[in-house]
Amino acid sequence: QVQLQESGPGLVKPSETLSLICTVSGYSIGSGYYWGWIRQPPGKGLEWIGNIHHTGVTDYNPSLKSRVTILVDRSENQFSLNVMSVTAADTAVYYCAKVRADRTMIDYFDPWGQGTLVTVSS
Amino acid sequence: QSALTQPPSASGSPGQSVTISCTGTSSDVGIYNYVSWYQQHPGKAPKLMIYDVTRRPSGVPDRFSGSKSGNTASLTVSGLQAEDEADYYCSSYAGGNNLVFGGGTKVTVL
Repeated sequence: QVQLQESGPGLVKPSETLSLICTVSGYSIGSGYYWGWIRQPPGKGLEWIGNIHHTGVTDYNPSLKSRVTILVDRSENQFSLNVMSVTAADTAVYYCAKVRADRTMIDYFDPWGQGTLVTVSS
Repeated sequence: QSALTQPPSASGSPGQSVTISCTGTSSDVGIYNYVSWYQQHPGKAPKLMIYDVTRRPSGVPDRFSGSKSGNTASLTVSGLQAEDEADYYCSSYAGGNNLVFGGGTKVTVL
């Protein structure tokens, strides 16, 4: 079955760029589907960050769009997340997930990776 | 966009039923049938429990059911069990290739 695993630095300095990778196993990203990122600040709720199609088409949360980039690397069966100019408010557990979506809707996230905590601090 | 509104907490005794509401607007929950529910145990990743308002993924017990009326979606857990104690989040498509989550509801089994 499809499995996802997030990886990347656990600590990022304010004003720098947060970079994470999601490695997919059990399915070839190039075969289809959308792939997404969701985050959860400590003790708080979920926030959708954005999705990417295997062709590279992206959708972003309007509140984060100016700072976020999601890319896909089909050769490595991975997709990535970059968040620029981070502040303490970007401290969160970041999850990647397979997304049921098309160009007319975003439906659900299943399955999810285990998540990785990223702390923004000097 | 604004998050969907969920009650912060809900509770019930074992065997009872608990219903969690998820209130949106006519721009998200009220117009689209792309409402999902996720269960999250402490320190774990969310798990899909309901999608498309009423559909259950394979492996999810039929004690979990979803519904929608107007701008409010609901998740009902019947025959409450100790393992159902968790946080529950709703989400809805909001148009324009955008998606919103609810703030989450902590379900306690008394």
